[in-house]
Parts: sequence; structure tokens; C-alpha cells
Amino acid sequence: ETGVTQTPRHLVMGMTNKKSLKCEQHLGHNAMYWYKQSAKKPLELMFVYSLEERVENNSVPSRFSPECPNSSHLFLHLHTLQPEDSALYLCASSSQGGKETQYFGPGTRLLVL
Amino acid sequence: EDQVTQSPEALRLQEGESSSLNCSYTVSGLRGLFWYRQDPGKGPEFLFTLYSAGEEKEKERLKATLTKKESFLHITAPKPEDSATYLCAVQDGSEKLVFGKGTKLTVNP
Repeated sequence: ETGVTQTPRHLVMGMTNKKSLKCEQHLGHNAMYWYKQSAKKPLELMFVYSLEERVENNSVPSRFSPECPNSSHLFLHLHTLQPEDSALYLCASSSQGGKETQYFGPGTRLLVL
Repeated sequence: EDQVTQSPEALRLQEGESSSLNCSYTVSGLRGLFWYRQDPGKGPEFLFTLYSAGEEKEKERLKATLTKKESFLHITAPKPEDSATYLCAVQDGSEKLVFGKGTKLTVNP
């Protein structure tokens, strides 16, 4: 595997479900990010982890919970989501503690019913 | 607050018809301006980083330029495979990227 990978690529869940999105980077970077991309809106930064510590929490509802166990892996735990949370969730990584170019994964397309 | 505005929202070109996409920005201390290409259902693919006014970068049919207020992505003699959404983003001294809404480019054969 090369670059940034995300699983699953597609996810359908009910509002009472609990699921997790996984991101793995193979670039030797030390910063990782979660973004949300909705139709007709710019990419919205959700969370930033730099050197495995959360440095940004962009006023995201608590039904989204990130976890960064090491510099190569990032998770987004989802519970009791709302239909308006349906979107493309993108993971990215960068080097130098987050001050260099960010490289994105393919995204997880999430549909909340 | 950092802001990025891209225009036009959508652009249709004939194959071979050159044009430019615009990215206007306001940022407190520009550290970098980034261009990405995004195909439907996929993540953004990095194209260029520009760091200071007057800087230019080229890759195949694409050329990015930067002034103190805006950046242009010039597309010379585009091909249908250049069809995608092109995203512009700025970074100040933090880890945050602020993105524009993108320009959807369609190149017809």
C-alpha cells in the first residue's frame, strides 16, 4: 500500500449505529487530519493530530470522536449520527508537524439513514 | 479569518481551448497556497504549492501563478482527461488549510 488509504470506502448506517472509519498513511508523516466534504461546500477541517496529539478540534459535535494511536493510523468513531452528517469524509497527512503539503486519501462516502 | 473564493464555479471548454481559473484569498500571513485536483468520488490530488508572490509552477498543461491577492491556474490546450474539480487552499502559520468551493472544469472532445 502506498500513500494514504481509507476504509471502508462506502458506509451506510442508521442513526442509532456505532461505526468507525480508519485511515492509514504510508508516507512517514507525523500529522494527520479529518475533513468533511458536503455537496456545494468547501472542505471543512474537523480534527488535526500533530505528533499524535490533537491540536485542532474545529467545533465538531461530540458524536464524532477521533483517535490517533500512532503517527500512521487515525480513526473517526461515529455514534448516533444525523442524516445531515452524510458526506465524504477525507483523511490527510503531512510532515513537519502539519506545516507542509497535505496528501489526501480516497475518502469514505457515508450515508446516514 | 482566512477566506478563499474560487471563480468561476463551473467552466466548460472545448478540447484545445485554453483558459484560467481564479482563486482570490485573504489570509493573515500566507505560508502557502495549494492547488488540488479532485475527480468525482475521490480524494483531492496535490498539484502545486506556491509560497510567495511572483512564483510560478508548471506541470504538463497546467501552470499556477501567485500574486498577493490571488492565484491563477492556467490550462493550456486542455484535453478531456483534464476534466475535474480544481480546489484552491491557503495556509497561514498553523496546521489549518482553508479551502475554496472549487471550480468544476469540463473539457469536451
